[in-house]
Amino acid sequence: DVKVTQSSRYLVKRTGEKVFLECVQDMDHENMFWYRQDPGLGLRLIYFSYDVKMKEKGDIPEGYSVSREKKERFSLILESASTNQTSMYLCASSPTDRENKFFGSGTQLSVL
Amino acid sequence: QQPVQSPQAVILREGEDAVINCSSSKALYSVHWYRQKHGEAPVFLMILLKGGEQKGHEKISASFNEKKQQSSLYLTASQLSYSGTYFCGTATYGGATNKLIFGTGTLLAVQP
Repeated sequence: DVKVTQSSRYLVKRTGEKVFLECVQDMDHENMFWYRQDPGLGLRLIYFSYDVKMKEKGDIPEGYSVSREKKERFSLILESASTNQTSMYLCASSPTDRENKFFGSGTQLSVL
Repeated sequence: QQPVQSPQAVILREGEDAVINCSSSKALYSVHWYRQKHGEAPVFLMILLKGGEQKGHEKISASFNEKKQQSSLYLTASQLSYSGTYFCGTATYGGATNKLIFGTGTLLAVQP
């Protein structure tokens, strides 16, 4: 089974802190994604990557950056966390852009 | 543009049927369906590509009407295990197929 692992299930940070969310997949997938999930808004794409060191902006990239130095790892970075970034963050991977995505269990981030 | 899902929520008794709709204002290349149980990662159900095909397995199936730019998910003889939030994700012509836009979800509750 494909496994997508997110490093933390719950995270509490202070406003202005730099936050790293880590995601690792074990199936050699080319594509990796970061979404945030908010009640009533569904899943919104922040960034995605289709290869090592390659990235593209999703629909809501403001306030976020990403890093993909190795194929299996995709990191989401909040340079200066703000309270409106309190959310559930979901990482996903897929073998190609036309195949299904495998999601991690999510990181619930609270910014105080 | 986020696809519109309807209904927003539905409550069923075991054995009853349900239909969840997903409509887009843009021409669709593909539609993906996922189910997310409370506190868990979204899980892939199926992908439908242009051509008006209908896919499914067991008692969950879906159709894709390219002309109407919509997809419907059919759950027949529902079971308790069908409870969760169902999301459609759409990929449009001219857009990156990686950039699925998800709807806001339909909450399905199946009661004994």
